Amino acid sequence: AQSVTQPDIHITVSEGASLELRCNYSYGATPYLFWYVQSPGQGLQLLLKYFSGDTLVQGIKGFEAEFKRSQSSFNLRKPSVHWSDAAEYFCAVGGGFKTIFGAGTRLFVKA
Amino acid sequence: DAGVTQSPTHLIKTRGQHVTLRCSPISGHKSVSWYQQVLGQGPQFIFQYYEKEERGRGNFPDRFSARQFPNYSSELNVNALLLGDSALYLCASRPGTRPMVDTQYFGPGTRLTVL
Repeated sequence: AQSVTQPDIHITVSEGASLELRCNYSYGATPYLFWYVQSPGQGLQLLLKYFSGDTLVQGIKGFEAEFKRSQSSFNLRKPSVHWSDAAEYFCAVGGGFKTIFGAGTRLFVKA
Repeated sequence: DAGVTQSPTHLIKTRGQHVTLRCSPISGHKSVSWYQQVLGQGPQFIFQYYEKEERGRGNFPDRFSARQFPNYSSELNVNALLLGDSALYLCASRPGTRPMVDTQYFGPGTRLTVL
């Protein structure tokens, strides 16, 4: 069965510190992988996506993610977090016309 | 260019009623998808339409239906509302020619509350 697991319900990071959000997926074939961000009252915005090729993917707002097939993981990273990064982050896996989302990780940023 | 728009923004209904949610995709986008996001969870895929045809359906009961119009806008209908249907309903559009490769753009959602 296709599924996405985000083990951390919420994470608190100090402004300027590095960030890593974890994502593990289960998918029968080579997956399409995504990270989205959702701010309060906003729709989902795509941060980055992976289809094939280089396993380190660069996205918007200084985010990057690394695909590790052996670990079925697609973790999101940012070297220095800004207060405006506080939001809900969703990892997703897609195939065909269907996208499956994880439950999300809420990021809190403290000054 | 305007992004994906959804109406209404908020909606309150009572159990057993029917509701219609509307979505206008980005100009030029031919594919629309609907998602249900229950509080504290990730979005769950309901339907995907491309060129007015249903191309995908999630694990939702037949009370949920949708359609896409010639101008590519879409409606999501839910009959016999249950308390558990309370959620944020998200619409997303993409150009449609490459379902996973093309970026999916989400609207702000319609918040449905069922009392």
